[in-house]
Amino acid sequence: AQKVTQAQTEISVVEKEDVTLDCVYETRDTTYYLFWYKQPPSGELVFLIRRNSFDEQNEISGRYSWNFQKSTSSFNFTITASQVVDSAVYFCALILSGGYQKVTFGTGTKLQVIP
Amino acid sequence: DVKVTQSSRYLVKRTGEKVFLECVQDMDHENMFWYRQDPGLGLRLIYFSYDVKMKEKGDIPEGYSVSREKKERFSLILESASTNQTSMYLCASSRYYEQYFGPGTRLTVT
Repeated sequence: AQKVTQAQTEISVVEKEDVTLDCVYETRDTTYYLFWYKQPPSGELVFLIRRNSFDEQNEISGRYSWNFQKSTSSFNFTITASQVVDSAVYFCALILSGGYQKVTFGTGTKLQVIP
Repeated sequence: DVKVTQSSRYLVKRTGEKVFLECVQDMDHENMFWYRQDPGLGLRLIYFSYDVKMKEKGDIPEGYSVSREKKERFSLILESASTNQTSMYLCASSRYYEQYFGPGTRLTVT
């Protein structure tokens, strides 16, 4: 069975600080996909990124960056120069290749950015 | 852009009532899902469907049923609502891996 752990339940940072959200996953499969979703206070989960298990290249998108390390089974998410609009719950998730019906979600990390 | 809509943002029902939650997607996705979200428990899969009239149980199907008569529409049914079904219900759809979510329905059962 798959498992996704987000050990940080809540994080508070002051605006413009950098913050890293941790995600550790467990799976015996070698082919899988990892995701991050953002859930703002409005409630709708928004897809941020997908990474497949064969691509360990880090990715940067504006102030967001993701660090995927298979050696430590981690897929961490960093927000640089945080803003109040980044306040949300962030979910890390895993899905097996071919098993696209079922996603394993972490329990989420609530990020509060204080102005 | 993918659009997933849910029939209500907020709903209040009484114990024992039959409750219908509707979800519609406009991207011709094969897969549709119903989750419930509770504090500290994250998202838990109730049911999913990979085709019209097809359904599969998720992790917590007890007390729920679903219906998918058309590809774009996936309904969640609470046959006899109970207070422990008070929760946020999220619908999602996907073609392959990324799931796209609706805004959620916050259901309160009194």
